[in-house]
Amino acid sequence: DSGVTQTPKHLITATGQRVTLRCSPRSGDLSVYWYQQSLDQGLQFLIQYYNGEERAKGNILERFSAQQFPDLHSELNLSSLELGDSALYFCASSVGTSGGAHEQFFGPGTRLTVL
Amino acid sequence: GQSLEQPSEVTAVEGAIVQINCTYQTSGFYGLSWYQQHDGGAPTFLSYNALDGLEETGRFSSFLSRSDSYGYLLLQELQMKDSASYFCALSGGGADGLTFGKGTHLIIQP
Repeated sequence: DSGVTQTPKHLITATGQRVTLRCSPRSGDLSVYWYQQSLDQGLQFLIQYYNGEERAKGNILERFSAQQFPDLHSELNLSSLELGDSALYFCASSVGTSGGAHEQFFGPGTRLTVL
Repeated sequence: GQSLEQPSEVTAVEGAIVQINCTYQTSGFYGLSWYQQHDGGAPTFLSYNALDGLEETGRFSSFLSRSDSYGYLLLQELQMKDSASYFCALSGGGADGLTFGKGTHLIIQP
């Protein structure tokens, strides 16, 4: 158990819909990262928040957005969903952000299926 | 941008030693990490090299050569539970998100 929690575990929805994925980082971790894992694209970094502020962006689509709240939990919002958005979405956390946060603790993931 | 290449699949025998190679391209980075992921599970951190050379953590060792843009993960005394996918990842280079390779599926035969 990494200490990172994600809800829901599974999500099935239809094209065009909007969903919200939730993540609670490990106690004491200020950085939260979101990753997408699919068979064709592998594990891709989407976005990072540090202590409530957006820190870095990766390959995140404009239809996707995220935020980190004062209690440090984070939400990833996916809208206008397409079939290709079906994937496993992981949240990870780390203590800080300086020097490259190489040791990240991953949550169990949310499996999103878009029908 | 950054990119990493690693073999898609490696097969080894229980009790043996296996090496998983990783080559990368980047204009700058802090270090090279290795993660393990079992089927249906989350990636878990194994090892990290910020400097050239070998880092040892129990049965796992990791190596980095910045001049050769190359690293590897060495697993010794292989156990059936080591059957998993192994990912190399670059940290730094403009963002703190990790850039992962496509992963190497390690198959261990008895």
